[in-house]
Amino acid sequence: DVVLTQSPLSLPVTLGQPASISCRSSQSLVRSDGNTFFNWFHQRPGQSPRRLIYKVSNRGSGVPDRFSASGSGTDFTLRISRVEAEDIGTYYCMQYTHWPHTFGQGTTLEIK
Amino acid sequence: EAQLVESGGGLVQPGGSLRLSCAASGFSFSALWMSWVRQAPGRGLEWVANIKPDGTEKSYVDSVKGRFTISRDNAKNSLSLQMNSLRVEDTAIYYCAAGGTSEYWGQGTTVTVSS
Repeated sequence: DVVLTQSPLSLPVTLGQPASISCRSSQSLVRSDGNTFFNWFHQRPGQSPRRLIYKVSNRGSGVPDRFSASGSGTDFTLRISRVEAEDIGTYYCMQYTHWPHTFGQGTTLEIK
Repeated sequence: EAQLVESGGGLVQPGGSLRLSCAASGFSFSALWMSWVRQAPGRGLEWVANIKPDGTEKSYVDSVKGRFTISRDNAKNSLSLQMNSLRVEDTAIYYCAAGGTSEYWGQGTTVTVSS
């Protein structure tokens, strides 16, 4: 199975400051047709996950533009340009290029 | 507005069975891949199973193969997960998710396997 390793696992951030989360895959997530099936999700405490980013860098509907993402192959990054209070919670990367689909272990963002 | 509502969770003894359901509305259910994802208490997310829009392809994580069966009824906009031979380690919140990119999620239903 593909292992996704996120770092850091805990991310204390001051309001208004930027934040960045890395996700590294144990194998390339590029499919034979050239597509890379990789998402980022955000889960607030006590809530369901919400898709933030799909196919590496595409923001989902209603996702603020302070969220951006990039990456290729085995290395991916989620960036928040200016952290707001509503951004607290856990962020997960996920790949769906290979079976079974797998998630990273999660990065918990907290406000300093 | 897209909505997914899970039901069917509860407390069951090891070795028992449960059937989870997910009612979909507000989007074209029959056109989308559907998935079940679970989250054990205090843990991360684990993809469990998914099913092609027409139901002809199904995939499972190894730990549930032979015990869980995913199915769908496109006429009723409904997704199901039949869970047999349940184990303590199956205890989790079970979410249904819609779309190849997991665009929509339900609120989850809690399954507790305990004697």
